[in-house]
This record gives sequence, structure tokens and C-alpha cells, in this order.
Amino acid sequence: KNQVEQSPQSLIILEGKNCTLQCNYTVSPFSNLRWYKQDTGRGPVSLTIMTFSENTKSNGRYTATLDADTKQSSLHITASQLSDSASYICVVSAGGSYIPTFGRGTSLIVHP
Amino acid sequence: EAGVTQSPTHLIKTRGQQATLRCSPISGHTSVYWYQQALGLGLQFLLWYDEGEERNRGNFPPRFSGRQFPNYSSELNVNALELEDSALYLCASSLGLAESYEQYFGPGTRLTVT
Repeated sequence: KNQVEQSPQSLIILEGKNCTLQCNYTVSPFSNLRWYKQDTGRGPVSLTIMTFSENTKSNGRYTATLDADTKQSSLHITASQLSDSASYICVVSAGGSYIPTFGRGTSLIVHP
Repeated sequence: EAGVTQSPTHLIKTRGQQATLRCSPISGHTSVYWYQQALGLGLQFLLWYDEGEERNRGNFPPRFSGRQFPNYSSELNVNALELEDSALYLCASSLGLAESYEQYFGPGTRLTVT
């Protein structure tokens, strides 16, 4: 069964600090992995998309890494801002049929 | 450029009724996806339409159905509503069939079943 596990479930950090969110998956065959940011009451917004051959991808202060061998991904947020407070969702798609598997998300709260 | 739009924003129905949710994709996008986000749970994939055809569906009962119109807008119908159908229903659109195309989400429709 395809699964995506995210950790931690929630995280509180101070403004300006860095943080790293984790995503472990068991999806086969692997097609791509996406990280989304979802503000409360809004639809998710794509941060990065990574395919099998990509190890790192950045989008501003967000850097995603992918280790296809260990089936792990991380999202690193640098110099956090209050606006980073949101839920961060890891999504892994299986190749061929497009049925994405979503993690439950990490709820990040950035305090001033 | 206008983003993905969904209507209504909120919908309240009673158990056993039918609900119809609507989605308009970004201009030029041919693929529309529907997701369910129940409270405390992750998003779950419901349906995928492209060029008017259903391309795939998630693990949901047949009372969840939909269609895509010639202008690529889409409608999700939920029949015989059950209390556990209460959730945020999100629609997303993308340029086409390729799995690597980025999906753009709408704001969602909050369905409450009483």
C-alpha cells in the first residue's frame, strides 16, 4: 500500500530560525514528489516538484531534497518569516496511473 | 491571469441529499482534479478529468461522480450524502496529462452534511 509519512506533525519556531520537515514514502513506481504549502482555509500552493533524478531543488527560502534510494525527502526553510506559518504537505505520485498519495502535513507556526 | 475558481464557497446539506460542486480551471488548462480534505486527514485524490474524459479515480464509492464540460470546467456530484462526506473539496487544474505538470489549486468548497 502506498503511504507518505511526514514528521514532525507540528513545529513551533521563532522568526528568523531555520527548520527542516521530513517526508518518508513507500510509493511504487515512483514518478515525482511535490511539496505544497497550505495556508488555513486556502488551497495548497506548489513549492517544488522533484523527479527521480533530482536530488535538490530550491524555491527562494525553500529547499527540497530527495533521496530516492532511502525514499526520503526533506523541506528546509531558511530564515523563517511569520508568513511561513502554514501546513506543509508532501505528495508522492506513482508512475503510469497518476494516483497521488498525500502526507497529512506538518503544521508550522512561526512566532515573532 | 485568473486562478482556479470554485463555487459555492460553503454548502450545507442534510444526510441523503445530493451536492453539486463546480470548478473553473485556469485558462488553457485541460486537466481538472478533485480532492477531498476531511478534518484532521490528508488530502485524498477523488477524480481526474482531461479533455472531457475521466482519466482516473481514487478509492471512493460510485456516489462520488463528476464530469468535465467542453470549456474544461468541471462539476463534482456527491449523491446520498453521508455525515462523513463533510470536508473541504479542492479542485486543481494543470496544463495536461503529464504527471510533472504543476497543479494549481482553487480555494475549495466547504461541504457540511448534517
